[in-house]
Amino acid sequence: QVQLVQSGAAVKKPGSSVKVSCKASGGTFSSYVLSWVRQAPGQGLEWMGGINPVSGTADYAQKFQGRVTIIADASTSTAYLDLSSLKSEDTAVYYCAREGSCRSTTCLYYGADVWGQGTTVIVSS
Amino acid sequence: EIVMTQSPATLSVSPGERVTLSCRASHSVSSNLAWYQQKPGQAPRLLIHGASTRVTGIPARFSGSGSGTEFTLTISSLQSEDFAVYYCQQYNNWPRAFGQGTKLEIK
Repeated sequence: QVQLVQSGAAVKKPGSSVKVSCKASGGTFSSYVLSWVRQAPGQGLEWMGGINPVSGTADYAQKFQGRVTIIADASTSTAYLDLSSLKSEDTAVYYCAREGSCRSTTCLYYGADVWGQGTTVIVSS
Repeated sequence: EIVMTQSPATLSVSPGERVTLSCRASHSVSSNLAWYQQKPGQAPRLLIHGASTRVTGIPARFSGSGSGTEFTLTISSLQSEDFAVYYCQQYNNWPRAFGQGTKLEIK
């Protein structure tokens, strides 16, 4: 049973950065396609970016280009979301989610079937 | 980037009713479309992937259809636990995209 456990809540100042972690257990981390999704208070789901373990590269929503970095550390089965130049509008719950798995060069996508518990990030002066 | 549009934004329905939610993609996403249910304070739950394949454990009253740019999620007979927000998401292309959600509320 795959589980994703995220780091705890954070309070940040505008202009600073936040790093959220997502540790996987119960499966083969290096095969997972992992994405990050956020949800501002009272708002919908917003896909931020994802990382493909085969290519080792991340893809980001245009809105976050230049401000977001997603990495995956297979040695610790942990993915990270780094968001910089924080604004008050970045106040949200941030989720990691598994949305596919890869074997060799072939990846199978099936929607985000496993989610972390969410990490609340508050940006406030 | 592909834009996903859901309608309506809110639907007021009574338990036992049949309801159909719509999702439209700005470009074809083939059948690479997922539906999620989210309740307050919880992470989203995957209901359907591949536009019409129910996830194990999801009740048969949930069904999905469509391909290309037009998709629907149908709940055949609403139960009290189905009142929630529903999102569609395309995973045919990077970057992924969610619709803005449809909230099912009790009439």
